[in-house]
Amino acid sequence: KAGVTQTPRYLIKTRGQQVTLSCSPISGHRSVSWYQQTPGQGLQFLFEYFSETQRNKGNFPGRFSGRQFSNSRSEMNVSTLELGDSALYLCASSLGERFPSYEQYFGPGTRLTVT
Amino acid sequence: GEDVEQSLFLSVREGDSSVINCTYTDSSSTYLYWYKQEPGAGLQLLTYIFSNMDMKQDQRLTVLLNKKDKHLSLRIADTQTGDSAIYFCAEKGGGADGLTFGKGTHLIIQP
Repeated sequence: KAGVTQTPRYLIKTRGQQVTLSCSPISGHRSVSWYQQTPGQGLQFLFEYFSETQRNKGNFPGRFSGRQFSNSRSEMNVSTLELGDSALYLCASSLGERFPSYEQYFGPGTRLTVT
Repeated sequence: GEDVEQSLFLSVREGDSSVINCTYTDSSSTYLYWYKQEPGAGLQLLTYIFSNMDMKQDQRLTVLLNKKDKHLSLRIADTQTGDSAIYFCAEKGGGADGLTFGKGTHLIIQP
């Protein structure tokens, strides 16, 4: 089975721009969660989608949003980028029948640099 | 809110056992996890334990859970150079938010 894939792997954006990151979960997995990883704050939960609905949300501003498609692929969007948004964005997939599914599998991440 | 604490570094000799410790504060934790992250890579799920278990063994990995003290440990037997990585402890609390991670323990292997 293919693992979780994330595109693009690296991205450089300018302050004020917006960005869209994509995640394809493991085949058969219906839940996708997003996390932000920075040296200062570590790993922080952004949100989780299950069956095209946002099921849970972490403590991030409204500039961070996401969606999930009928094939379980997910995108997250960050608008009006700030320097502090520079981070590794990780996507995790799980079966998701009941939150939380106890096995979450992570993709390699998208490294976003904001200049 | 919930908090997960780990020491930042652990140095062990190749062939010895490594023990990585973690403490957490959420008494309603349901699952506790250990993830491994190598440079430039995402997180690899190593093992997990349900909160009503005391121990779980999986090949070279042994997880011990002391629920009373909210202490979790990961023991890696016969540590190899390929085990060099950052190890994250994470917990899933009773609330609906995602996993809460520790800051990670850098495991350094000495030849």
